[in-house]
Amino acid sequence: GESVGLHLPTLSVQEGDNSIINCAYSNSASDYFIWYKQESGKGPQFIIDIRSNMDKRQGQRVTVLLNKTVKHLSLQIAATQPGDSAVYFCAERGYNTDKLIFGTGTRLQVFP
Amino acid sequence: DSGVTQTPKHLITATGQRVTLRCSPRSGDLSVYWYQQSLDQGLQFLIQYYNGEERAKGNILERFSAQQFPDLHSELNLSSLELGDSALYFCASSGLAGQETQYFGPGTRLLVL
Repeated sequence: GESVGLHLPTLSVQEGDNSIINCAYSNSASDYFIWYKQESGKGPQFIIDIRSNMDKRQGQRVTVLLNKTVKHLSLQIAATQPGDSAVYFCAERGYNTDKLIFGTGTRLQVFP
Repeated sequence: DSGVTQTPKHLITATGQRVTLRCSPRSGDLSVYWYQQSLDQGLQFLIQYYNGEERAKGNILERFSAQQFPDLHSELNLSSLELGDSALYFCASSGLAGQETQYFGPGTRLLVL
């Protein structure tokens, strides 16, 4: 699945380095945030989520940071691998709703 | 594999036609969501069903409709198709309230010629 096409911001990192993907969200009332990874030809794949009452959450090789003051979300990937190459989307869920609002996505390219 | 299945994987049709996309949620999930992903607009929420009832509506055109059946599978109907409807259509599912994570299916790629 190519996602947002021509104007995706791209992050290029060397294999083994850490990656940081940033996202600005729009609604200060959003209470849940989620990161997805989308590889070519596939649907978005859940990576990690965080609720608004937390600042940081860690998973396997991934960390999500939430800064509510500036409405900013980041995804950190440790020891980036070629298999991490994909488009990464952040999504927010507003208060009292289930629907997700997606960001435009960032393409991560990992080179040897 | 997310456990969400969608059929067909690819669909090619002509303008003015009608198509039906099908989604089976993960076992036990009651909510089904439909999203459209196009080059121009990214991932856009269309509609949500919860246990057979419409729960939320997004930017869904009047030419589009959906339903969720008693076995919880869902169908998205697209009619009077236009060239601009060409896109990837994803279905996602989630469980009961409080289980917010939405798991996405592999999508249906629709091409309108």
